[in-house]
Amino acid sequence: ELKVEQNPLFLSMQEGKNYTIYCNYSTTSDRLYWYRQDPGKSLESLFVLLSNGAVKQEGRLMASLDTKARLSTLHITAAVHDLSATYFCAAHEGSGYALNFGKGTSLLVTP
Amino acid sequence: DTGVSQDPRHKITKRGQNVTFRCDPISEHNRLYWYRQTLGQGPEFLTYFQNEAQLEKSRLLSDRFSAERPKGSFSTLEIQRTEQGDSAMYLCASSLVAGLTDTQYFGPGTRLTVL
Repeated sequence: ELKVEQNPLFLSMQEGKNYTIYCNYSTTSDRLYWYRQDPGKSLESLFVLLSNGAVKQEGRLMASLDTKARLSTLHITAAVHDLSATYFCAAHEGSGYALNFGKGTSLLVTP
Repeated sequence: DTGVSQDPRHKITKRGQNVTFRCDPISEHNRLYWYRQTLGQGPEFLTYFQNEAQLEKSRLLSDRFSAERPKGSFSTLEIQRTEQGDSAMYLCASSLVAGLTDTQYFGPGTRLTVL
């Protein structure tokens, strides 16, 4: 069974700083997703990564995928308060359709 | 707005009662998923439909749970004889396969509280 682990689970960072969230997955997966969830809200799709070495960027967020290491990272550049949310990574087991999610990283950006 | 919608948004019920939730996917999407999310956890997969066919069920989906997607449009998730452990947010998602991607778009969820 595919297991997805994120770290850290909680992150408090100051505005303007950079940080990286890590997502490890235990077995082969052909797609890796990042989602954002605001308190009391549903999940918003951020990125889908399809191949080894894939890198995608949107604003202050950049996601990358290393399929050999079974690792994805979400890098935050010059954090702002609006980025405060919980970030989830998720992967399909093999070529299946169900998503296996990590526990999420709760990010708080403070002045 | 043509996003995924769910109804009701909140449901409070007593243990032992039956509840039914509805999900309306994005109109052109042919895949529909149900997940359950408890506090502090990521969503857990429950079941998946392609059009009207239920193709995969999680072991989390006990025999008290049943899901349908008549005519491949909206879907319902019914929980019979609810237990306190069923209290959670129930999320529906839909997707349309386009090339290699199958991004799932989530609805706002139905929060179930079993007293």
